[in-house]
Amino acid sequence: QKEVEQNSGPLSVPEGAIASLNCTYSDRGSQSFFWYRQYSGKSPELIMFIYSNGDKEDGRFTAQLNKASQYVSLLIRDSQPSDSATYLCAVRRGAGGTSYGKLTFGQGTILTVHP
Amino acid sequence: DTGVSQNPRHKITKRGQNVTFRCDPISEHNRLYWYRQTLGQGPEFLTYFQNEAQLEKSRLLSDRFSAERPKGSFSTLEIQRTEQGDSAMYLCASSLSPGGCTFGSGTRLTVV
Repeated sequence: QKEVEQNSGPLSVPEGAIASLNCTYSDRGSQSFFWYRQYSGKSPELIMFIYSNGDKEDGRFTAQLNKASQYVSLLIRDSQPSDSATYLCAVRRGAGGTSYGKLTFGQGTILTVHP
Repeated sequence: DTGVSQNPRHKITKRGQNVTFRCDPISEHNRLYWYRQTLGQGPEFLTYFQNEAQLEKSRLLSDRFSAERPKGSFSTLEIQRTEQGDSAMYLCASSLSPGGCTFGSGTRLTVV
């Protein structure tokens, strides 16, 4: 089992719709959760992070975390063609232990928003 | 300071040669990470520094890979006796706190 799993997609949504991206993780010691966006040929850029169960909203983006289910999601409202990219989920263990620093990434989900 | 800087952007090398990449993190960031990414995959963790101390190295990483961060500033990643399987994008990232990290543009390595 991979440490962080994402559906590779591609996920295709029409412009203006809500895009829902999902991620599951295996390490129950994970405490911090991140969503990165990566355009083709570019490096990943941080969109959002979430530490606590529940929802966190930032503009058109909402991150949702359910630690009991080991599940993280990213919702993109009013999707735009410029949102077309690969979305990477990443997790980090909590304090304590040598694994504290690194982020472990999923393989990413390709999102295509069509006009 | 405009972000994480990596050099070179591209490197083509013959199999068996040694290569070295450089990363200059955001100046106030004390944490520095090296990742490797191949097409269709997420970044794979290689190693991590806090200041000059190398705190973790991937158990999957060959002994041909070594990284340094003298004086807690820039970092270098060296690959000895390169193999075709080493062809990938090598990404450096830095962060100040245990939050998300900022990535550089990467060094694309092609081993022929």
